Amino acid sequence: LAKTTQPISMDSYEGQEVNITCSHNNIATNDYITWYQQFPSQGPRFIIQGYKTKVTNEVASLFIPADRKSSTLSLPRVSLSDTAVYYCLVSGAGSYQLTFGKGTKLSVIP
Amino acid sequence: ETGVTQTPRHLVMGMTNKKSLKCEQHLGHNAMYWYKQSAKKPLELMFVYNFKEQTENNSVPSRFSPECPNSSHLFLHLHTLQPEDSALYLCASSPNQGARNIQYFGAGTRLSVL
Repeated sequence: LAKTTQPISMDSYEGQEVNITCSHNNIATNDYITWYQQFPSQGPRFIIQGYKTKVTNEVASLFIPADRKSSTLSLPRVSLSDTAVYYCLVSGAGSYQLTFGKGTKLSVIP
Repeated sequence: ETGVTQTPRHLVMGMTNKKSLKCEQHLGHNAMYWYKQSAKKPLELMFVYNFKEQTENNSVPSRFSPECPNSSHLFLHLHTLQPEDSALYLCASSPNQGARNIQYFGAGTRLSVL
Protein backbone atom coordinates (compact mmCIF):
# COMPACT_ATOMS: atom_id res chain seq x y z
CA LEU A 1 0.00 0.00 0.00
CA ALA A 2 1.39 3.35 -0.99
CA LYS A 3 2.02 5.72 1.92
CA THR A 4 0.62 9.21 1.74
CA THR A 5 1.82 12.45 3.33
CA GLN A 6 -0.39 15.51 3.70
CA PRO A 7 -0.31 18.60 5.92
CA ILE A 8 -1.71 18.12 9.41
CA SER A 9 -3.79 21.28 9.28
CA MET A 10 -4.72 24.28 7.15
CA ASP A 11 -6.65 27.46 7.74
CA SER A 12 -8.59 29.38 5.12
CA TYR A 13 -11.02 32.29 4.98
CA GLU A 14 -14.51 31.87 3.64
CA GLY A 15 -14.80 32.32 -0.09
CA GLN A 16 -11.21 31.38 -0.83
CA GLU A 17 -10.03 28.46 -2.92
CA VAL A 18 -8.25 25.80 -0.89
CA ASN A 19 -5.66 23.43 -2.27
CA ILE A 20 -4.56 20.43 -0.22
CA THR A 21 -1.58 18.54 -1.58
CA CYS A 22 -0.86 14.89 -0.88
CA SER A 23 2.46 13.16 -1.57
CA HIS A 24 2.52 9.50 -2.58
CA ASN A 25 6.00 8.86 -3.91
CA ASN A 26 5.70 5.06 -4.15
CA ILE A 27 2.35 4.93 -5.91
CA ALA A 28 1.98 1.83 -8.07
CA THR A 29 0.86 1.69 -11.69
CA ASN A 30 -2.57 0.30 -10.80
CA ASP A 31 -3.23 2.59 -7.82
CA TYR A 32 -6.03 5.13 -7.75
CA ILE A 33 -6.15 8.29 -5.63
CA THR A 34 -9.26 8.93 -3.59
CA TRP A 35 -10.19 11.76 -1.24
CA TYR A 36 -12.67 11.58 1.62
CA GLN A 37 -14.08 14.25 3.94
CA GLN A 38 -14.96 13.62 7.58
CA PHE A 39 -16.92 15.82 9.98
CA PRO A 40 -16.62 15.25 13.75
CA SER A 41 -18.46 12.16 15.00
CA GLN A 42 -19.47 11.14 11.48
CA GLY A 43 -18.18 8.66 8.96
CA PRO A 44 -15.95 9.74 6.07
CA ARG A 45 -17.68 10.81 2.89
CA PHE A 46 -16.31 10.27 -0.62
CA ILE A 47 -15.32 13.47 -2.42
CA ILE A 48 -13.44 12.55 -5.58
CA GLN A 49 -11.31 9.86 -7.20
CA GLY A 50 -8.78 9.98 -10.02
CA TYR A 51 -5.98 8.16 -11.79
CA LYS A 52 -4.20 10.87 -13.76
CA THR A 53 -4.53 14.45 -15.07
CA LYS A 54 -7.59 16.28 -13.81
CA VAL A 55 -10.94 15.20 -12.47
CA THR A 56 -13.75 17.60 -11.58
CA ASN A 57 -17.15 17.10 -10.00
CA GLU A 58 -19.71 19.36 -8.39
CA VAL A 59 -17.77 19.47 -5.13
CA ALA A 60 -14.06 19.58 -5.97
CA SER A 61 -11.28 19.14 -8.49
CA LEU A 62 -8.39 16.72 -8.31
CA PHE A 63 -5.13 17.51 -10.07
CA ILE A 64 -2.63 14.71 -10.67
CA PRO A 65 0.70 15.43 -12.41
CA ALA A 66 2.15 13.10 -14.99
CA ASP A 67 4.47 11.32 -12.53
CA ARG A 68 1.50 10.73 -10.18
CA LYS A 69 3.75 11.13 -7.13
CA SER A 70 1.46 13.74 -5.69
CA SER A 71 -2.09 15.00 -6.05
CA THR A 72 -3.91 18.20 -5.12
CA LEU A 73 -7.48 18.47 -3.95
CA SER A 74 -8.96 21.83 -4.83
CA LEU A 75 -12.05 23.16 -3.06
CA PRO A 76 -13.47 26.27 -4.72
CA ARG A 77 -14.83 29.10 -2.57
CA VAL A 78 -14.94 27.28 0.77
CA SER A 79 -17.59 27.99 3.36
CA LEU A 80 -17.72 27.37 7.10
CA SER A 81 -19.41 24.03 6.43
CA ASP A 82 -16.26 22.81 4.68
CA THR A 83 -14.45 22.70 8.01
CA ALA A 84 -13.54 19.03 8.30
CA VAL A 85 -10.71 16.51 8.04
CA TYR A 86 -9.72 15.58 4.50
CA TYR A 87 -8.07 12.23 3.78
CA CYS A 88 -5.99 11.28 0.77
CA LEU A 89 -5.86 7.55 0.04
CA VAL A 90 -3.96 5.54 -2.53
CA SER A 91 -4.99 1.98 -3.23
CA GLY A 92 -4.84 -0.62 -5.93
CA ALA A 93 -7.70 -1.71 -8.12
CA GLY A 94 -7.57 -5.25 -6.78
CA SER A 95 -7.29 -4.39 -3.12
CA TYR A 96 -10.08 -3.88 -0.61
CA GLN A 97 -7.80 -2.21 1.90
CA LEU A 98 -8.27 1.50 2.43
CA THR A 99 -5.53 2.86 4.67
CA PHE A 100 -6.50 6.14 6.25
CA GLY A 101 -3.73 8.44 7.49
CA LYS A 102 -4.21 11.31 9.88
CA GLY A 103 -5.63 13.55 7.19
CA THR A 104 -5.60 17.34 6.91
CA LYS A 105 -7.76 19.29 9.30
CA LEU A 106 -9.16 22.24 7.38
CA SER A 107 -10.51 25.15 9.42
CA VAL A 108 -12.52 27.75 7.53
CA ILE A 109 -12.54 31.13 9.22
CA PRO A 110 -15.36 33.68 8.80
CA GLU B 1 -28.08 10.19 4.35
CA THR B 2 -25.51 7.78 2.96
CA GLY B 3 -27.68 4.69 2.76
CA VAL B 4 -25.76 3.07 5.60
CA THR B 5 -27.50 3.09 8.98
CA GLN B 6 -25.83 2.24 12.25
CA THR B 7 -27.52 1.62 15.59
CA PRO B 8 -27.22 2.58 18.30
CA ARG B 9 -25.54 5.95 17.80
CA HIS B 10 -24.23 5.95 21.35
CA LEU B 11 -23.50 3.07 23.70
CA VAL B 12 -22.14 2.92 27.22
CA MET B 13 -21.23 -0.47 28.60
CA GLY B 14 -19.37 -2.04 31.44
CA MET B 15 -16.47 -4.38 30.93
CA THR B 16 -18.58 -7.44 31.73
CA ASN B 17 -21.49 -6.56 29.45
CA LYS B 18 -22.37 -8.10 26.12
CA LYS B 19 -23.72 -5.78 23.47
CA SER B 20 -24.07 -5.69 19.70
CA LEU B 21 -23.67 -2.98 17.11
CA LYS B 22 -25.85 -3.13 14.02
CA CYS B 23 -25.25 -1.88 10.51
CA GLU B 24 -27.69 -1.95 7.62
CA GLN B 25 -27.14 -0.77 4.08
CA HIS B 26 -29.84 -0.03 1.52
CA LEU B 27 -27.51 0.37 -1.43
CA GLY B 28 -27.43 -3.17 -2.80
CA HIS B 29 -23.71 -3.45 -2.07
CA ASN B 30 -21.87 -6.74 -1.71
CA ALA B 31 -19.00 -5.72 0.56
CA MET B 32 -19.25 -4.43 4.13
CA TYR B 33 -16.61 -3.23 6.55
CA TRP B 34 -16.06 -2.45 10.23
CA TYR B 35 -13.62 0.31 11.20
CA LYS B 36 -12.48 1.62 14.58
CA GLN B 37 -11.58 5.27 15.09
CA SER B 38 -9.99 6.13 18.42
CA ALA B 39 -9.46 9.69 19.54
CA LYS B 40 -6.63 11.40 17.66
CA LYS B 41 -5.92 8.25 15.62
CA PRO B 42 -6.57 7.29 12.00
CA LEU B 43 -9.34 4.90 11.08
CA GLU B 44 -8.33 1.26 11.53
CA LEU B 45 -9.89 -1.43 9.37
CA MET B 46 -11.15 -4.30 11.53
CA PHE B 47 -13.14 -6.71 9.36
CA VAL B 48 -14.20 -7.08 5.74
CA TYR B 49 -17.06 -9.15 4.36
CA ASN B 50 -17.70 -9.83 0.71
CA PHE B 51 -20.88 -11.65 -0.30
CA LYS B 52 -21.41 -12.54 3.38
CA GLU B 53 -18.02 -14.20 3.70
CA GLN B 54 -15.33 -12.75 5.94
CA THR B 55 -12.30 -11.91 3.83
CA GLU B 56 -10.23 -9.93 6.28
CA ASN B 57 -9.59 -9.85 10.02
CA ASN B 58 -6.91 -7.33 10.85
CA SER B 59 -5.67 -9.06 14.01
CA VAL B 60 -8.71 -7.94 15.95
CA PRO B 61 -9.05 -9.34 19.52
CA SER B 62 -11.61 -12.08 19.93
CA ARG B 63 -13.72 -9.90 22.24
CA PHE B 64 -14.96 -8.38 18.97
CA SER B 65 -17.02 -10.88 16.98
CA PRO B 66 -18.52 -9.90 13.61
CA GLU B 67 -21.54 -11.46 11.99
CA CYS B 68 -22.88 -10.97 8.47
CA PRO B 69 -26.17 -12.84 7.97
CA ASN B 70 -26.72 -11.32 4.52
CA SER B 71 -25.21 -8.69 2.27
CA SER B 72 -27.37 -5.94 3.77
CA HIS B 73 -26.67 -6.48 7.45
CA LEU B 74 -23.53 -6.52 9.53
CA PHE B 75 -23.21 -6.91 13.28
CA LEU B 76 -20.36 -6.46 15.71
CA HIS B 77 -20.83 -8.42 18.91
CA LEU B 78 -18.97 -7.04 21.89
CA HIS B 79 -17.97 -9.03 24.96
CA THR B 80 -15.67 -8.30 27.89
CA LEU B 81 -14.36 -5.09 26.43
CA GLN B 82 -11.63 -2.93 27.90
CA PRO B 83 -11.69 0.85 28.48
CA GLU B 84 -9.20 1.28 25.61
CA ASP B 85 -11.87 -0.12 23.27
CA SER B 86 -13.80 3.12 23.69
CA ALA B 87 -13.97 4.65 20.22
CA LEU B 88 -16.16 5.51 17.27
CA TYR B 89 -17.05 2.31 15.38
CA LEU B 90 -17.85 2.87 11.75
CA CYS B 91 -19.53 0.60 9.27
CA ALA B 92 -19.09 1.00 5.54
CA SER B 93 -20.22 -0.72 2.37
CA SER B 94 -19.07 -0.75 -1.24
CA PRO B 95 -20.46 -2.26 -4.44
CA ASN B 96 -17.78 -4.94 -4.44
CA GLN B 97 -14.53 -5.70 -2.70
CA GLY B 98 -11.85 -3.53 -4.25
CA ALA B 99 -10.25 -0.24 -3.44
CA ARG B 100 -11.61 1.46 -6.56
CA ASN B 101 -15.03 0.85 -5.18
CA ILE B 102 -16.12 3.89 -3.23
CA GLN B 103 -16.96 3.12 0.37
CA TYR B 104 -20.08 4.60 1.92
CA PHE B 105 -19.90 5.07 5.65
CA GLY B 106 -22.53 5.17 8.35
CA ALA B 107 -22.55 7.83 11.05
CA GLY B 108 -20.95 5.44 13.52
CA THR B 109 -21.58 4.20 17.04
CA ARG B 110 -19.82 6.11 19.80
CA LEU B 111 -18.85 3.43 22.33
CA SER B 112 -17.75 4.13 25.87
CA VAL B 113 -16.48 1.26 28.00
CA LEU B 114 -16.48 1.93 31.72
